[in-house]
Amino acid sequence: KQEVTQIPAALSVPEGENLVLNCSFTDSAIYNLQWFRQDPGKGLTSLLLIQSSQREQTSGRLNASLDKSSGRSTLYIAASQPGDSATYLCAVLTGANNLFFGTGTRLTVIP
Amino acid sequence: KAGVTQTPRYLIKTRGQQVTLSCSPISGHRSVSWYQQTPGQGLQFLFEYFSETQRNKGNFPGRFSGRQFSNSRSEMNVSTLELGDSALYLCASSPVRGGPYEQYFGPGTRLTVT
Repeated sequence: KQEVTQIPAALSVPEGENLVLNCSFTDSAIYNLQWFRQDPGKGLTSLLLIQSSQREQTSGRLNASLDKSSGRSTLYIAASQPGDSATYLCAVLTGANNLFFGTGTRLTVIP
Repeated sequence: KAGVTQTPRYLIKTRGQQVTLSCSPISGHRSVSWYQQTPGQGLQFLFEYFSETQRNKGNFPGRFSGRQFSNSRSEMNVSTLELGDSALYLCASSPVRGGPYEQYFGPGTRLTVT
């Protein structure tokens, strides 16, 4: 069974710092990997989607990488801002068309 | 293009009652999946519907059921509510099953069981 782990569980950084969030998964047979952002009490906002054949994707200050063979992905956030404070979730899509989610990293960016 | 919509946004029910939640996918999307989010278990897959058929089901009791209509709108039903059913219920839509497509999530329905 697919298991997704995110480290660290919580992270607090000063504004302007670059940071990396980590995601690992146990079964490399995935269609794609998505990074989401969730604000308290809200739904999920998709940030980046990496296909299983891709190595990375970029959107603005965000860059996500994927190493399928080792079961790892990272989300890099450049020049963090207080508005980036949220919980970040990674999820892998399997052949059964369901997403397996990690437990998330709660990010706090201190002004 | 309008996003995924879920109604109602908030619900308070009593133990033993049943509840129906609704999800309208993005226009043209045919796959709808449901997820339950709780502080203890995180996000867990409930089931997926495609072309009005349940294609996949997560590890939840039979009290949780769903259906999909010809316009791709989906409903999920929980019967005989338990306190542990209190959660944020999220639905997601994608154009087809699997493959290179993003899953787009709605804002969720917050269910509180008292």
